[in-house]
Amino acid sequence: DGGITQSPKYLFRKEGQNVTLSCEQNLNHDAMYWYRQDPGQGLRLIYYSQIVNDFQKGDIAEGYSVSREKKESFPLTVTSAQKNPTAFYLCASGQGWGQETQYFGPGTRLLVL
Amino acid sequence: AQKITQTQPGMFVQEKEAVTLDCTYDTSDPSYGLFWYKQPSSGEMIFLIYQGSYDQQNATEGRYSLNFQKARKSANLVISASQLGDSAMYFCAMREALRGFGNEKLTFGTGTRLTIIP
Repeated sequence: DGGITQSPKYLFRKEGQNVTLSCEQNLNHDAMYWYRQDPGQGLRLIYYSQIVNDFQKGDIAEGYSVSREKKESFPLTVTSAQKNPTAFYLCASGQGWGQETQYFGPGTRLLVL
Repeated sequence: AQKITQTQPGMFVQEKEAVTLDCTYDTSDPSYGLFWYKQPSSGEMIFLIYQGSYDQQNATEGRYSLNFQKARKSANLVISASQLGDSAMYFCAMREALRGFGNEKLTFGTGTRLTIIP
């Protein structure tokens, strides 16, 4: 079955620790996106990538980093510089290049200990 | 700057009735796209329906239809014959062109929590 997988489902971070959220897709999509969702709010874009080895900052990139070494994978690292990381993180992919729909993974909930 | 507004934070609807979820948007771009996503309690965002700004007819997908009124800048979601499984958060989103050709992001509204009453 084609789709987007995210792991882990829940992640706990200690003070000063970097953590990495995984996102994998087998839809052969060129574009991948990371969004953050806070309680009672919509989604905000953190980073996006239209093609392998290229990515761009979204609206709230501070404290986050990404890589795109493979078409299928777009991991997100939440660094210690992100002072308020507790949120629900959603990864999405799409055909990009003017094609319309983005499809989402099941999400990772990050909590700070 | 583009903006999506969903004015109904919560709605309660009797099972089997139709429901309309409101969405208004603001953009100066002639080319844009409007989406509706459903987010159940599990958290996953499920794509429901899409309307392009140049589409002449309102989009429909099964029990979902999009009431697109371009002059009013509204894109309301209509769910016919509501079911208990329709209880979820519903988000309206707009496709916005980013830097360069083909770069896109979705700008989301704050959502409407729909509860279907048996």
